[in-house]
Amino acid sequence: GNSVTQMEGPVTLSEEAFLTINCTYTATGYPSLFWYVQYPGEGLQLLLKATKADDKGSNKGFEATYRKETTSFHLEKGSVQVSDSAVYFCARNTGFQKLVFGTGTRLLVSP
Amino acid sequence: DAGVTQSPTHLIKTRGQQVTLRCSPKSGHDTVSWYQQALGQGPQFIFQYYEEEERQRGNFPDRFSGHQFPNYSSELNVNALLLGDSALYLCASSRTGPNQPQHFGDGTRLSIL
Repeated sequence: GNSVTQMEGPVTLSEEAFLTINCTYTATGYPSLFWYVQYPGEGLQLLLKATKADDKGSNKGFEATYRKETTSFHLEKGSVQVSDSAVYFCARNTGFQKLVFGTGTRLLVSP
Repeated sequence: DAGVTQSPTHLIKTRGQQVTLRCSPKSGHDTVSWYQQALGQGPQFIFQYYEEEERQRGNFPDRFSGHQFPNYSSELNVNALLLGDSALYLCASSRTGPNQPQHFGDGTRLSIL
């Protein structure tokens, strides 16, 4: 089937700590992969994407590498800030731009 | 350049009523998708519209219907509302074509009493 699995949260970190949020997917074929971020009371914002194996998506200090051999797309950031506190969603596309999302991982960063 | 706009922001209805939610896509986008996000969950795909036709549909009952207008804006209609329909309804727009990213609006929070 087509599904996305994320690590459960909340992930609680101190400012400037290293962040990893795990994401794995099941798929037929080679989907495009995405990370979206949702701040309180808002919709989803595209954070980064990768469209083929070994692609690295990056934005605002966040990175994720499309790993076909492990069917993973883990999100990383070297030094988190309080303003990064949000819910992060991993997603893959299927068919005509239909997105399948994980359940989301809440990140809480304290000063 | 306005992004995706949705209206209303919040809505309260009672069981059995009907509701219409509206979405204006980002300029230059021709494809509109609707998602339902229950509290604490990821968004679930409802359906997608392109060229005023429903192009694909998720696992939602026929109570959920939609429309796309010639200016690419879209409506989501839900009939015979149930308590379980309480959720954030998100509209996303994109250009058609492979790997085109979807841009989301801030959603409509629907509460069913």
